[in-house]
Amino acid sequence: DAGITQSPRYKITETGRQVTLMCHQTWSHSYMFWYRQDLGHGLRLIYYSAAADITDKGEVPDGYVVSRSKTENFPLTLESATRSQTSVYFCASSVAVTGGYYEQYFGPGTRLTVT
Amino acid sequence: DAKTTQPTSMDCAEGRAANLPCNHSTISGNEYVYWYRQIHSQGPQYIIHGLKNNETNEMASLIITEDRKSSTLILPHATLRDTAVYYCIARQSYNFNKFYFGSGTKLNVKP
Repeated sequence: DAGITQSPRYKITETGRQVTLMCHQTWSHSYMFWYRQDLGHGLRLIYYSAAADITDKGEVPDGYVVSRSKTENFPLTLESATRSQTSVYFCASSVAVTGGYYEQYFGPGTRLTVT
Repeated sequence: DAKTTQPTSMDCAEGRAANLPCNHSTISGNEYVYWYRQIHSQGPQYIIHGLKNNETNEMASLIITEDRKSSTLILPHATLRDTAVYYCIARQSYNFNKFYFGSGTKLNVKP
């Protein structure tokens, strides 16, 4: 199906475990993003990628690792999950910036609980 | 990026126009105004954006004041499916780190 998908949609893991959240888009958008959403903090940018093999930190990158070997995939890994990483994670993509503006398209989200 | 201020919540009758205000009094000349919405448990959805001129698309209209210090998102005929949190964002094109969604306005469309 066309669009942006995330998997899994729900995940429960234990403190200290490694967890990888997957994001896949079919539009060949150059930019991809990972956000987390928590009550009282709104959406906060974790990492973003301008193209394959190009990534950069966002506002809250600590404890997370990303990679982007292919344009369509942008996995987010929590190397050693902590309870503070319990959140809803959204992946997004957008076309290359032209004219000074762009639209972001968001996935359905992954609800992660760390026990 | 300019900080935006929105009312916490608003009510609207189904079929009527919903007018959602946003204040961005510190906006700079190269910052666009974006509107997104988030329906419960879903990812945010792009609605519209503008720089200086009023804009309209199939979803909504965006009215930006001449001094650009405030804007209004208009949903011309609100439906129950428009119940969501609406975010107004003012940002520069390359400031990925500062795409700040804030708390938004919870729009309740009532039958």
